[in-house]
Amino acid sequence: NAGVTQTPKFQVLKTGQSMTLQCAQDMNHNSMYWYRQDPGMGLRLIYYSASEGTTDKGEVPNGYNVSRLNKREFSLRLESAAPSQTSVYFCASSEGEGTGNQPQHFGDGTRLSIL
Amino acid sequence: AQSVTQLDSHVSVSEGTPVLLRCNYSSSYSPSLFWYVQHPNKGLQLLLKYTSAATLVKGINGFEAEFKKSETSFHLTKPSAHMSDAAEYFCVVIPLGGGGNKLTFGTGTQLKVEL
Repeated sequence: NAGVTQTPKFQVLKTGQSMTLQCAQDMNHNSMYWYRQDPGMGLRLIYYSASEGTTDKGEVPNGYNVSRLNKREFSLRLESAAPSQTSVYFCASSEGEGTGNQPQHFGDGTRLSIL
Repeated sequence: AQSVTQLDSHVSVSEGTPVLLRCNYSSSYSPSLFWYVQHPNKGLQLLLKYTSAATLVKGINGFEAEFKKSETSFHLTKPSAHMSDAAEYFCVVIPLGGGGNKLTFGTGTQLKVEL
């Protein structure tokens, strides 16, 4: 059971570079999410997709874009990386379309450093 | 609006002694509440969830939590700590009817288990 798979696991970028973080789930979930985790701040929602073909902003969307490529895949793009985007990024998925009472399943994270 | 307060950023216990991780919440709607665990360099794993059924919820690995509406609390307990319980624990609230995107994480409690 793969669950939620994120690639890459680690990445170092220079300021101004761009990159795309990939996420795929094999649980046939409708909803997918991108979070960032910073020390002492818990997880903060960047973007989410309640269903295939829809995306919405979360708490901290500035500097990011997302694409829900199909039901399985949800990518996060940094167009011009900044040191403030150094963080651990988590992708998650859940059943339902924003019903609120389904637990989310998480990938193992992408550790991103921006110099 | 909703919020979660984890009252202790660090908790240290001896192996074999009880564990208590405290969580208080506020929510405009009746909430769903979850506890997640995160081991080093891993994603978050669901421990247990409360979704307006029984107020005492049992989870994996011997953990349980009690929903107390009058105290707006959802504390996590375990009768006897094991070395493998050392990890970071997150309390999460979702307001039922508020949409799956409105998931709010606490800032986490780091549990240390000593011999």
